[in-house]
Amino acid sequence: DIQMTQSPSSLSASVGDRVTITCRASQSISTYLNWYQHKAGKAPQLLIYAASSLQSGVPSRFSGSGSGTDFTLTISSLQPEDFATYYCQQSFSDSWTFGQGTKVEIK
Amino acid sequence: QVQLVQSGAEVKKPGASVKVSCKASGYTFTSHDINWVRQAAGQGLEWMGRMNPNGGNTHYAKKFQGRVSMTSNSSITTAYMELSSLRSEDTAVYYCARGLFIILDGDWFDPWGQGTLVTVSS
Repeated sequence: DIQMTQSPSSLSASVGDRVTITCRASQSISTYLNWYQHKAGKAPQLLIYAASSLQSGVPSRFSGSGSGTDFTLTISSLQPEDFATYYCQQSFSDSWTFGQGTKVEIK
Repeated sequence: QVQLVQSGAEVKKPGASVKVSCKASGYTFTSHDINWVRQAAGQGLEWMGRMNPNGGNTHYAKKFQGRVSMTSNSSITTAYMELSSLRSEDTAVYYCARGLFIILDGDWFDPWGQGTLVTVSS
């Protein structure tokens, strides 16, 4: 299976900060990479698909980039509602896998 | 709007089976795969497998092969995930999610059901 490794595992940031989360695949996955936001007690929400396409309804402060093995999710100006756990997910192989998650906490 | 509504919480004994349902509405049920993802307490998201309601083809993660079965009833636009030989490590929130696919862009999950807590305890 393709392993997805996110860094950092957690981070503390303030409202208004620029936040970058990295996801690395154990082999090249082209741009078959998606990002989700997950808040405790709620269903995960799709943010970015195909590495850089913003899902409809998602604020433009979220952006994704990368291809091959290295990807990033950027929040340009962190808002109070953005404190959550973020997951990357690959769909390159037949069996799909998630990263371990990055928890974004209030500083 | 597109919506997935899951069945309620379950408590099962070790060795038993559990069957979780996922009722879809707002789109053509047979046009999209249904995926199942779980999250154990304090852990991350874990993809379990997917099922195509149009024909019933399935693909399960290796970890769950032999223990999981994903099915559907198109007449009531409902998908099911049954997990057998339950152990304490299967205690988790189980989510269903609609699969979306575009050629050369890949597959992703949207939307997700609200989640079903399955507790395995003697």
